[in-house]
Amino acid sequence: GAVVSQHPSRVICKSGTSVKIECRSLDFQATTMFWYRQFPKKSLMLMATSNEGSKATYEQGVEKDKFLINHASLTLSTLTVTSAHPEDSSFYICSAGLAGRNEQFFGPGTRLTVL
Amino acid sequence: QQQVKQSPQSLIVQKGGIPIINCAYENTAFDYFPWYQQFPGKGPALLIAIRPDVSEKKEGRFTISFNKSAKQFSLHIMDSQPGDSATYFCAAGFMDSSYKLIFGSGTRLLVRP
Repeated sequence: GAVVSQHPSRVICKSGTSVKIECRSLDFQATTMFWYRQFPKKSLMLMATSNEGSKATYEQGVEKDKFLINHASLTLSTLTVTSAHPEDSSFYICSAGLAGRNEQFFGPGTRLTVL
Repeated sequence: QQQVKQSPQSLIVQKGGIPIINCAYENTAFDYFPWYQQFPGKGPALLIAIRPDVSEKKEGRFTISFNKSAKQFSLHIMDSQPGDSATYFCAAGFMDSSYKLIFGSGTRLLVRP
């Protein structure tokens, strides 16, 4: 149980385009979802926390207009990287949590490459 | 006060050795301390977690030792195998909450055959 999927697993796009990444909790309802960014050989950097039906809470330094997060249902959250630039190239990972519990279940990640 | 400091940054052991990874935290209000294992190109997976009311927890070959007074906790991998080669992250948070976890910087472990 507690499986989280991400789609796509890899995406290559041109500079200036927007990319949407989906995060789904497959067998449970996730009241909270987290979006992380990870650079090679580095730790996970929390970008934002999203609760179903409300606006995401962004960490300091993360541009909310560039990284749009939507958590429209208890099983789906999306991250849209708008007007992507090469410096946005990274590994993006989501995690999902259960109400009242801090255990986070991570997705497999999405490798974004912006040319 | 929200930081979790992890060491070492990298670790190499021979098969059968017992690698030890250490983490330290500042916020005494934390009550949930998980360890995650991550293979290259994959998302982290929960390995084992502990709460501060116990000093040790074992799950298979993985053991967490917890020192509440020192605000430190560590992961020991018994009889390590080449398949254990991965990056390990400690974290700290609040158990009964969906509050964010604070992650350590990670330890890259290589277990030589």
